[in-house]
Amino acid sequence: DIVMTQSPDSLAVSLGERATINCKSSQSVLYTASRKSFLAWYQQKPGQPPKLLIYWASTRESGVPDRFSGSGSGTEFTLAIDNLQAEDVASYYCQQYYNPPYTFGQGTKLEIK
Amino acid sequence: EVHLEESGGGLVQPGRSLRLSCVASGFSFHESGMHWVRQRPGKGLEWVSSINRHSDTIYYADSVKGRFTISRDNAKNSLYLQMNSLTTEDTALYYCAKERDFDFSMDVWGQGTSVTVSS
Repeated sequence: DIVMTQSPDSLAVSLGERATINCKSSQSVLYTASRKSFLAWYQQKPGQPPKLLIYWASTRESGVPDRFSGSGSGTEFTLAIDNLQAEDVASYYCQQYYNPPYTFGQGTKLEIK
Repeated sequence: EVHLEESGGGLVQPGRSLRLSCVASGFSFHESGMHWVRQRPGKGLEWVSSINRHSDTIYYADSVKGRFTISRDNAKNSLYLQMNSLTTEDTALYYCAKERDFDFSMDVWGQGTSVTVSS
């Protein structure tokens, strides 16, 4: 199974600043034929289901603000949130969908400093 | 509007069974792969199972393999999860989720149905 490890487990960032969350996979999730990494980022606010933010490691889902960006390839990935807003307080999860089981990272809890 | 609604959760004793349902609306259910994902109280997300549109490709997490069975009825726009031999470790909020077209990320989620396994 592919193990997904996020860092940090939690972080506190000031409003208007940048938050960065990292995700590392135990093996590459890059599909060489398409040159796409099968990696998604989800946001989950308290009491709500997860929401897809990013797929293929760097493609924003429709309707997601461009403050959210994903980068990386292969085994190392980053979710960045620029100009942090109060509504961004949530837990964030990476997930690989390269091979089943489609494992999630343990989550990163983002708070306002 | 695209919508998923889960049902069938509840309180069940260890060793017993439960069947979860998820009804889809607002999209072509028969063309979409579907997933079950669970979240234990206060914990992170755990992928449970997936099924493709034709029901001929099915996967399970090791933690549920041999005990849970995923299925679908495209005529009823419905996804199911039959859960047998339940243990306290299966206590969680169970979400159904729709696959995004052309990859396996999940772009639509239900609100979840809660399963509590306790004597």
